[in-house]
Amino acid sequence: EAGVAQSPRYKIIEKRQSVAFWCNPISGHATLYWYQQILGQGPKLLIQFQNNGVVDDSQLPKDRFSAERLKGVDSTLKIQPAKLEDSAVYLCASSPRTGSNYYEQYFGPGTRLTVT
Amino acid sequence: AQSVTQPDIHITVSEGASLELRCNYSYGATPYLFWYVQSPGQGLQLLLKYFSGDTLVQGIKGFEAEFKRSQSSFNLRKPSVHWSDAAEYFCAVGASNFNKFYFGSGTKLNVKP
Repeated sequence: EAGVAQSPRYKIIEKRQSVAFWCNPISGHATLYWYQQILGQGPKLLIQFQNNGVVDDSQLPKDRFSAERLKGVDSTLKIQPAKLEDSAVYLCASSPRTGSNYYEQYFGPGTRLTVT
Repeated sequence: AQSVTQPDIHITVSEGASLELRCNYSYGATPYLFWYVQSPGQGLQLLLKYFSGDTLVQGIKGFEAEFKRSQSSFNLRKPSVHWSDAAEYFCAVGASNFNKFYFGSGTKLNVKP
């Protein structure tokens, strides 16, 4: 089965510019997560979708970050405008929420964002 | 507040030696605990998890972890390390409804030949 796909893999932008990341989860996975991983830190959950509804976005900086999951499949995460401290790897994960792997999160390779 | 602490930032062990990576958590309810591994340029991969039952859990690649409620710990162990185990390891705690996940800051493992 194909894994979680993310694009682009790398992105360099200047501060105050906008950027968008795309994630395609594993087919049939109902739950989708976006994480931010700053260098030297563990991943921090930004937002979780169940199908196309938001389950938790308590750690999403909503003044500049937005995310959507149209039709309960693909998802995009946007930053507008970007700040230097947004430099990080943005990880997408999906989870089946059914069967024996109900809880397991499958991670994509991530998008490395550098804000200059 | 929920948190996960991995006190060792870097660990170096010789190939064939045993390994123990420490993880302490703070969580108000019964925690669901996980260990993930991240190789350079790769996504996170689940090694093992604990939900309930036997406090010693077995995972992939020969890893195991022991849940100790009294110590709020979930340490990862491997009896004999291989060079391919060099990576970064993350401990994580989740809520029972899986709507909250908290990762530790990670431990980088180097393996000496």
